Amino acid sequence: SQQGEEDPQALSIQEGENATMNCSYKTSINNLQWYRQNSGRGLVHLILIRSNEREKHSGRLRVTLDTSKKSSSLLITASRAADTASYFCATDGPGGSYIPTFGRGTSLIVHP
Amino acid sequence: SQTIHQWPATLVQPVGSPLSLECTVEGTSNPNLYWYRQAAGRGLQLLFYSVGIGQISSEVPQNLSASRPQDRQFILSSKKLLLSDSGFYLCAWSVLIGTGYREQYFGPGTRLTVT
Repeated sequence: SQQGEEDPQALSIQEGENATMNCSYKTSINNLQWYRQNSGRGLVHLILIRSNEREKHSGRLRVTLDTSKKSSSLLITASRAADTASYFCATDGPGGSYIPTFGRGTSLIVHP
Repeated sequence: SQTIHQWPATLVQPVGSPLSLECTVEGTSNPNLYWYRQAAGRGLQLLFYSVGIGQISSEVPQNLSASRPQDRQFILSSKKLLLSDSGFYLCAWSVLIGTGYREQYFGPGTRLTVT
């Protein structure tokens, strides 16, 4: 199994600003996924980016993947107070059972 | 569409008591199923995963066990709870969306407090 590590651990911004979170991993991957978790709730799948993709968009979310640096970033544009949550990345390598592992996440606080 | 159910939502149990958490998935067949535990302010720790009925793989040796009696049912159990078993338990399933690609989806979680 692979492991994603998110950076920074905590991020505090004002509403309307952009939020950028990073994820690093150790070995080759098949795909990388980003999730959001509101306090006390389950994880919500946000976006999947495949190893042969470099950038992907979904609404206000923009995910990039740099396999040469073994890193990914999640950009939330024009943040809202409702974006306050923890964000996690998960990776898995090629072949075999899908057994993603998660880092500690980035705790994002968006102040209204 | 697929749905994942977990119950109970919250649970308070004394040390030494048994545990049974249930997870069911609707709208899909032969999913991979997972149990994770999340300590306060921490990441997710994979406890068990299953690729089919009766097939359970354990990632962390501990006093917990898992069973998959039906294709879309995953149960997490313990004979005697420890204080360290407190945490937020999440069930998840994954679906194959392409050759070698899976997306994972999570249930709402169970908050377990062992007293």
